[in-house]
Formats: sequence, structure tokens, C-alpha cells
Amino acid sequence: DAGVIQSPRHEVTEMGQEVTLRCKPISGHNSLFWYRQTMMRGLELLIYFNNNVPIDDSGMPEDRFSAKMPNASFSTLKIQPSEPRDSAVYFCASSLGGQNIQYFGAGTRLSVL
Amino acid sequence: SQKIEQNSEALNIQEGKTATLTCNYTNYSPAYLQWYRQDPGRGPVFLLLIRENEKEKRKERLKVTFDTTLKQSLFHITASQPADSATYLCALRPNNAGNMLTFGGGTRLMVKP
Repeated sequence: DAGVIQSPRHEVTEMGQEVTLRCKPISGHNSLFWYRQTMMRGLELLIYFNNNVPIDDSGMPEDRFSAKMPNASFSTLKIQPSEPRDSAVYFCASSLGGQNIQYFGAGTRLSVL
Repeated sequence: SQKIEQNSEALNIQEGKTATLTCNYTNYSPAYLQWYRQDPGRGPVFLLLIRENEKEKRKERLKVTFDTTLKQSLFHITASQPADSATYLCALRPNNAGNMLTFGGGTRLMVKP
């Protein structure tokens, strides 16, 4: 398996623009997680899905952030409008129930100027 | 409030020595605890999981202990090598929290030849 695939790897945008991050989980995994990592706050869970259904979005910072999982093999995290404080590395991870061992993608490094 | 604390200062050790990293938590009753390794520019990679009823777990040169009375986990790397240099994150799944994991801030380990 290719593992969790995220795109793009790097995104540079200007404040106010819409940003869409994409994730393809490992085939067969039924849980998907979006995290944000910064030096100051570490790795923070934003939202997670179980069987394509959002279960907990309490980590989503504000209404500018939204996430969807239209099917078992694809998820998006959208920021609209983006702000400089959204600059961070965004990770997607997937797992298969049970012990909940999470497999992470390589991340998307977002810079909002 | 719930907290997971890892030493934010880097741990520098000499090759061949045993590295010991600490993960302390408060106001959690975790069903299990996980350790991940993260290299620069990459996503975290799962290393070991230890359950609340287990005292110790080993995998090759790695050993994890879990003391639910002290609310602490120790992560040991014996016969350390420069290739072990990375950031190590502990993660907790609180009881009755579905598939969520909360990550500590990580400790950076530097193994010098």
C-alpha cells in the first residue's frame, strides 16, 4: 500500500484566499483524522471521521475551517478565507479501529502570506 | 484540565548509551498509550502501544513502561545510534473517547557519534 497520501506537499497563498488540502487514506481504514502542527501548539487534532461521518470537530478553530469526506478514499480540509495564523503543517492520518494505530501522511506545509 | 507533558528540551546523549524519554499526564484515565517517532519534514510513525493493564512492552531496542499510579510512561532506547535522532511523541487515548488520540509536545533526541 502507498500509505496515506496528501496533496499538495507545499502551499503558499495570500491572505484571504481559499485553500483546499487533500487526503487519501489507506485503503480499508475506517477512521480519518486531520491534525495541525505548529512549534507553539504541537500536534492538534482538528476533526476526525469514522466511516466517512464526522465524529468530533471540536478542534476546528473557527468557521473558516471545514472538512468533508465524501467517500472512504478521499477527504478535504478547506480554509476560507485563509489568514497568516493558519500557517502550519497539516497532517492527515488514518486508522483501522481496534488499537487505533494511526498512519500519517507526509503533511502539507501551508504558508499564508 | 487534561495535560500531556513531555520534556520540551532536547535530549543529547552519546552513541551506545540508553536514552530515556518521559511522558507525564494529568486528568486522563487512558485505556492505552502510544509512542510515535517523527523525523523532520515527515509525519509521525507509530512505534509501540502499551495498555493500561501492562507494565512494560519491548520491541527490539525499544522499551516502554506505563505506570498508571504515577501517571507516567517512560520510553527507553538501548544501545542508541545516531539514526535514532528524531522527535518522539507520546499519545493517549482517553477512556470513552472513541478513536481520538491526544499527542504530547514531543521530545527531540540527538544521539551523537
